[in-house]
Amino acid sequence: DQQVKQNSPSLSVQEGRISILNCDYTNSMFDYFLWYKKYPAEGPTFLISISSIKDKNEDGRFTVFLNKSAKHLSLHIVPSQPGDSAVYFCAASGKTGANNLFFGTGTRLTVIP
Amino acid sequence: NAGVMQNPRHLVRRRGQEARLRCSPMKGHSHVYWYRQLPEEGLKFMVYLQKENIIDESGMPKERFSAEFPKEGPSILRIQQVVRGDSAAYFCASSPMASGTYEQYFGPGTRLTVT
Repeated sequence: DQQVKQNSPSLSVQEGRISILNCDYTNSMFDYFLWYKKYPAEGPTFLISISSIKDKNEDGRFTVFLNKSAKHLSLHIVPSQPGDSAVYFCAASGKTGANNLFFGTGTRLTVIP
Repeated sequence: NAGVMQNPRHLVRRRGQEARLRCSPMKGHSHVYWYRQLPEEGLKFMVYLQKENIIDESGMPKERFSAEFPKEGPSILRIQQVVRGDSAAYFCASSPMASGTYEQYFGPGTRLTVT
Protein backbone atom coordinates (compact mmCIF):
# COMPACT_ATOMS: atom_id res chain seq x y z
CA ASP A 1 0.00 0.00 0.00
CA GLN A 2 1.84 3.06 -1.31
CA GLN A 3 0.74 5.94 0.92
CA VAL A 4 3.07 8.44 -0.70
CA LYS A 5 3.15 8.59 -4.47
CA GLN A 6 5.41 10.29 -6.97
CA ASN A 7 3.80 9.62 -10.31
CA SER A 8 6.54 11.08 -12.49
CA PRO A 9 9.58 8.80 -12.52
CA SER A 10 11.66 11.37 -14.40
CA LEU A 11 11.79 15.04 -15.30
CA SER A 12 14.13 17.00 -17.59
CA VAL A 13 14.54 20.76 -17.31
CA GLN A 14 16.80 23.32 -18.94
CA GLU A 15 19.33 25.04 -16.73
CA GLY A 16 17.95 28.29 -15.31
CA ARG A 17 14.31 27.22 -15.65
CA ILE A 18 11.98 26.08 -12.87
CA SER A 19 11.78 22.43 -11.82
CA ILE A 20 8.50 21.29 -10.27
CA LEU A 21 8.36 17.91 -8.60
CA ASN A 22 5.02 16.59 -7.40
CA CYS A 23 3.94 14.26 -4.64
CA ASP A 24 0.54 12.93 -3.51
CA TYR A 25 -0.37 11.18 -0.29
CA THR A 26 -3.38 9.22 0.88
CA ASN A 27 -3.10 9.19 4.68
CA SER A 28 -4.77 12.24 6.24
CA MET A 29 -2.89 11.56 9.50
CA PHE A 30 0.39 12.70 7.95
CA ASP A 31 1.38 16.04 9.44
CA TYR A 32 4.99 16.57 8.40
CA PHE A 33 6.44 16.33 4.94
CA LEU A 34 10.02 16.24 3.74
CA TRP A 35 11.97 16.25 0.51
CA TYR A 36 15.22 14.36 0.18
CA LYS A 37 17.75 14.43 -2.63
CA LYS A 38 19.75 11.35 -3.48
CA TYR A 39 22.83 10.88 -5.64
CA PRO A 40 23.85 7.40 -6.84
CA ALA A 41 25.65 5.29 -4.23
CA GLU A 42 24.90 7.84 -1.49
CA GLY A 43 22.28 8.13 1.20
CA PRO A 44 19.36 10.56 0.92
CA THR A 45 20.19 14.12 1.92
CA PHE A 46 17.56 16.23 3.66
CA LEU A 47 16.50 19.19 1.55
CA ILE A 48 13.46 20.93 2.96
CA SER A 49 10.40 20.16 5.04
CA ILE A 50 6.97 21.54 5.83
CA SER A 51 4.54 21.11 8.68
CA SER A 52 0.85 20.61 7.97
CA ILE A 53 0.06 23.90 9.71
CA LYS A 54 1.76 25.73 6.84
CA ASP A 55 1.13 25.81 3.12
CA LYS A 56 4.52 27.07 1.98
CA ASN A 57 8.12 26.89 3.12
CA GLU A 58 11.02 28.49 1.31
CA ASP A 59 14.77 27.97 1.59
CA GLY A 60 16.89 29.68 -1.02
CA ARG A 61 16.16 28.21 -4.44
CA PHE A 62 13.86 25.55 -2.94
CA THR A 63 10.19 26.06 -2.07
CA VAL A 64 7.74 23.42 -0.92
CA PHE A 65 4.00 23.94 -1.29
CA LEU A 66 1.40 21.92 0.60
CA ASN A 67 -2.25 21.59 -0.40
CA LYS A 68 -3.88 19.62 2.42
CA SER A 69 -7.32 19.45 0.86
CA ALA A 70 -5.86 17.85 -2.26
CA LYS A 71 -3.30 15.82 -0.26
CA HIS A 72 -0.65 17.15 -2.60
CA LEU A 73 2.72 18.76 -2.21
CA SER A 74 5.25 20.04 -4.66
CA LEU A 75 8.89 21.08 -4.65
CA HIS A 76 9.93 24.04 -6.79
CA ILE A 77 13.55 24.60 -7.66
CA VAL A 78 14.35 27.90 -9.30
CA PRO A 79 16.63 28.52 -11.03
CA SER A 80 17.55 24.91 -11.74
CA GLN A 81 21.25 24.08 -11.90
CA PRO A 82 23.07 21.04 -13.35
CA GLY A 83 24.16 20.09 -9.83
CA ASP A 84 20.50 19.63 -8.94
CA SER A 85 20.40 16.52 -11.13
CA ALA A 86 19.55 13.68 -8.74
CA VAL A 87 16.65 11.54 -7.57
CA TYR A 88 14.21 13.43 -5.34
CA PHE A 89 12.16 11.59 -2.76
CA CYS A 90 9.08 12.92 -1.06
CA ALA A 91 8.50 11.57 2.48
CA ALA A 92 5.77 11.93 5.07
CA SER A 93 5.45 11.38 8.79
CA GLY A 94 2.33 10.96 10.94
CA LYS A 95 1.03 12.01 14.33
CA THR A 96 -0.18 8.53 15.19
CA GLY A 97 2.94 7.94 17.26
CA ALA A 98 4.73 6.23 14.42
CA ASN A 99 8.15 7.68 13.86
CA ASN A 100 9.03 6.20 10.54
CA LEU A 101 9.01 8.09 7.28
CA PHE A 102 6.89 6.93 4.37
CA PHE A 103 8.72 7.49 1.10
CA GLY A 104 7.56 7.92 -2.46
CA THR A 105 9.30 6.05 -5.25
CA GLY A 106 11.30 9.07 -6.36
CA THR A 107 11.59 11.36 -9.38
CA ARG A 108 14.84 11.52 -11.31
CA LEU A 109 15.55 15.16 -12.19
CA THR A 110 17.93 15.94 -15.01
CA VAL A 111 18.95 19.57 -15.48
CA ILE A 112 20.30 20.12 -18.96
CA PRO A 113 23.12 22.69 -19.26
CA ASN B 1 32.98 13.20 9.82
CA ALA B 2 30.08 13.91 12.13
CA GLY B 3 27.50 12.30 9.87
CA VAL B 4 25.78 8.93 10.10
CA MET B 5 28.27 6.17 9.40
CA GLN B 6 27.48 2.77 7.97
CA ASN B 7 29.74 -0.15 7.30
CA PRO B 8 30.44 -2.02 5.31
CA ARG B 9 29.46 -0.05 2.22
CA HIS B 10 29.24 -3.20 0.16
CA LEU B 11 28.62 -6.71 1.41
CA VAL B 12 28.47 -9.91 -0.62
CA ARG B 13 27.03 -13.04 0.96
CA ARG B 14 26.18 -16.47 -0.36
CA ARG B 15 22.68 -17.82 0.20
CA GLY B 16 22.36 -19.18 3.73
CA GLN B 17 25.06 -16.99 5.26
CA GLU B 18 24.52 -14.23 7.82
CA ALA B 19 24.78 -10.54 7.02
CA ARG B 20 25.60 -8.02 9.71
CA LEU B 21 25.20 -4.31 8.96
CA ARG B 22 26.43 -1.61 11.31
CA CYS B 23 25.31 1.96 11.84
CA SER B 24 26.76 4.71 14.03
CA PRO B 25 24.33 7.63 14.42
CA MET B 26 25.27 11.26 14.35
CA LYS B 27 26.79 12.56 17.57
CA GLY B 28 24.04 13.49 20.00
CA HIS B 29 21.40 11.43 18.21
CA SER B 30 19.76 8.67 20.20
CA HIS B 31 17.15 7.52 17.67
CA VAL B 32 18.06 5.13 14.88
CA TYR B 33 15.95 3.96 11.94
CA TRP B 34 16.66 1.28 9.35
CA TYR B 35 15.22 1.40 5.85
CA ARG B 36 15.55 -0.90 2.86
CA GLN B 37 15.50 0.16 -0.77
CA LEU B 38 14.85 -2.39 -3.47
CA PRO B 39 15.81 -1.53 -7.07
CA GLU B 40 13.56 1.12 -8.64
CA GLU B 41 11.62 1.58 -5.40
CA GLY B 42 11.50 4.09 -2.59
CA LEU B 43 12.87 3.47 0.87
CA LYS B 44 10.76 1.22 3.08
CA PHE B 45 10.84 1.52 6.86
CA MET B 46 12.04 -1.53 8.76
CA VAL B 47 12.70 -0.70 12.41
CA TYR B 48 13.07 2.18 14.85
CA LEU B 49 15.32 1.87 17.89
CA GLN B 50 16.50 3.89 20.82
CA LYS B 51 19.40 2.87 23.02
CA GLU B 52 18.72 -0.70 24.24
CA ASN B 53 15.10 -0.57 23.06
CA ILE B 54 13.21 -1.53 19.92
CA ILE B 55 10.42 1.01 19.63
CA ASP B 56 8.77 -0.01 16.36
CA GLU B 57 9.61 -3.05 14.27
CA SER B 58 6.46 -3.07 12.20
CA GLY B 59 8.43 -3.03 8.94
CA MET B 60 10.73 -5.91 9.78
CA PRO B 61 10.15 -9.31 8.17
CA LYS B 62 8.98 -11.72 10.83
CA GLU B 63 11.78 -14.20 10.29
CA ARG B 64 15.55 -14.00 9.86
CA PHE B 65 15.79 -10.24 10.52
CA SER B 66 16.74 -8.66 13.84
CA ALA B 67 18.08 -5.34 15.03
CA GLU B 68 19.70 -3.97 18.15
CA PHE B 69 21.08 -0.70 19.43
CA PRO B 70 23.19 -1.50 22.49
CA LYS B 71 24.15 0.93 25.20
CA GLU B 72 27.65 1.06 23.77
CA GLY B 73 28.54 0.74 20.12
CA PRO B 74 26.72 0.93 16.82
CA SER B 75 23.27 -0.28 15.89
CA ILE B 76 23.32 -3.67 14.17
CA LEU B 77 20.91 -5.02 11.57
CA ARG B 78 21.31 -8.79 11.32
CA ILE B 79 19.96 -10.95 8.53
CA GLN B 80 20.28 -14.67 9.05
CA GLN B 81 20.25 -17.27 6.27
CA VAL B 82 20.17 -14.65 3.53
CA VAL B 83 18.25 -15.27 0.31
CA ARG B 84 18.52 -13.58 -3.08
CA GLY B 85 15.50 -11.42 -2.31
CA ASP B 86 17.44 -9.77 0.51
CA SER B 87 19.70 -8.08 -2.04
CA ALA B 88 19.05 -4.37 -1.60
CA ALA B 89 20.49 -1.14 -0.25
CA TYR B 90 20.04 -0.80 3.49
CA PHE B 91 20.03 2.71 4.90
CA CYS B 92 20.34 3.81 8.48
CA ALA B 93 19.08 7.19 9.66
CA SER B 94 19.29 9.00 12.97
CA SER B 95 17.47 11.86 14.63
CA PRO B 96 17.96 13.79 17.87
CA MET B 97 14.48 12.87 19.04
CA ALA B 98 11.40 11.09 17.77
CA SER B 99 10.71 12.16 14.23
CA GLY B 100 7.47 13.71 13.16
CA THR B 101 8.83 17.15 13.82
CA TYR B 102 12.49 16.58 13.09
CA GLU B 103 14.11 15.31 9.98
CA GLN B 104 16.10 12.11 9.85
CA TYR B 105 19.70 12.13 8.66
CA PHE B 106 20.79 9.23 6.52
CA GLY B 107 24.02 7.33 6.18
CA PRO B 108 25.53 6.30 2.84
CA GLY B 109 23.95 2.86 2.96
CA THR B 110 25.15 -0.73 2.77
CA ARG B 111 24.57 -2.47 -0.53
CA LEU B 112 23.97 -6.15 0.14
CA THR B 113 24.34 -8.62 -2.69
CA VAL B 114 23.33 -12.23 -2.15
CA THR B 115 24.80 -14.67 -4.65
